[in-house]
This record gives sequence, structure tokens and C-alpha cells, in this order.
Amino acid sequence: GQQVMQIPQYQHVQEGEDFTTYCNSSTTLSNIQWYKQRPGGHPVFLIQLVKSGEVKKQKRLTIQVGEAKKNSSLHITATQTTDVGTYFCAGPKGGSYIPTFGRGTSLIVHP
Amino acid sequence: EAQVTQNPRYLITVTGKKLTVTCSQNMNHEYMSWYRQDPGLGLRQIYYSMNVEVTDKGDVPEGYKVSRKEKRNFPLILESPSPNQTSLYFCASSFNPGGTEAFFGQGTRLTVV
Repeated sequence: GQQVMQIPQYQHVQEGEDFTTYCNSSTTLSNIQWYKQRPGGHPVFLIQLVKSGEVKKQKRLTIQVGEAKKNSSLHITATQTTDVGTYFCAGPKGGSYIPTFGRGTSLIVHP
Repeated sequence: EAQVTQNPRYLITVTGKKLTVTCSQNMNHEYMSWYRQDPGLGLRQIYYSMNVEVTDKGDVPEGYKVSRKEKRNFPLILESPSPNQTSLYFCASSFNPGGTEAFFGQGTRLTVV
């Protein structure tokens, strides 16, 4: 079964509020990837983190990974309606390099 | 343009009628994979392939077959579809599984009645 857990499953925010989704693994991940899927669309790669404690920023997006590389978070500052979608984290399964996806967090932004 | 192409985009079929969903990529990726997406369950891997003639089961392989005769193509075969295979299917490819970004196809929405 899946070994990468994501919370929350859904998040409703008012436009302008911040949003955070969390990704947790029971085992150390060699790397963590994040994807975004717009409603009716397909997952699109956002970013990858490889190093312990790494933090990457892209405009309003901040993604970080913990020191033990067992957890990661994606944070959006001042959400916009264009941020609507489902955010997935993915990491290699324990003992292999085949990626497994979390169940995703669906972000709903109310104007 | 780098892309993964799936066909068909939508398909309604009857129980037991064999079907194939095609997937093709133009990036010379060695790794290809199939996922199904169901509400609340995220993306679950069905099968993956590391290279031509090399395939392996993912988390939910029952009822599915795949083949990898050419590097660019990775069709998903449902020999005898059942209603519990009604789902949204995605094909994906990457240069290095888990280490580089995966490119996803547009998806195939399958309904089995």
C-alpha cells in the first residue's frame, strides 16, 4: 500500500489566505516531488527536493523537507483562484526508487 | 513538444469486452507507468516498465496487463473489464523513476457498465 501520507484531504480558503499541505512518510525518502493537478487536468510537476532540510521558493510557493527526509510541506502565500487544484507529493517506495504518490490535498479557493 | 499521448480520452464499454488504452511518449524515456485515480484514493500505480520488455506490477495490478515492445509505447490492456475498473487512468513517463520529473498524459476516463 501507499507509504506516503498527505493531510489534509481538502482545504477551503478565502482568496488571499495562506495554504499548507503536509506530506509524511514512515521511511526516509531519497527525494520528494510535488505535483499539481488542476480540475479536469493531469498532474504537472512542480518541484523536487533532494537534500535534508532543503527549502525552495517559487514566487508564492514555499516547499521544504525535514532534516530526516520523512516529511515535507508545500505552502502557498496569499492564495489566488488560479491555485485551485489537487497537490500531490511523491517519493520513492521504501527500498526502491519507484515513486509512490500521496492521496493529495484538494485546495478550494473562494473568491 | 515533449508530451505523453493517451488514447482514447473517454471510453464507455461493457463488462467483459476487451479494451486497450494506448500511451506514447516522445522524450525517449526509459521509465513508463500507469496509474488509476479514484476519488479520495489519489494516484495508485498499476504497472510500470523500466525499459523495453521489462515490466513489473505496481500496487493495483489485478485485472490489467501491459506490454513494452517499443520504448515509446506502453499500452494498458483490460482483458475482461469489470465495473470496479471504472476510473480515470493516467500514463506517465520519466527519464529516471522518482529522480526526475514525471510527465503525465491527459488521462483516459473509462466507464465499464
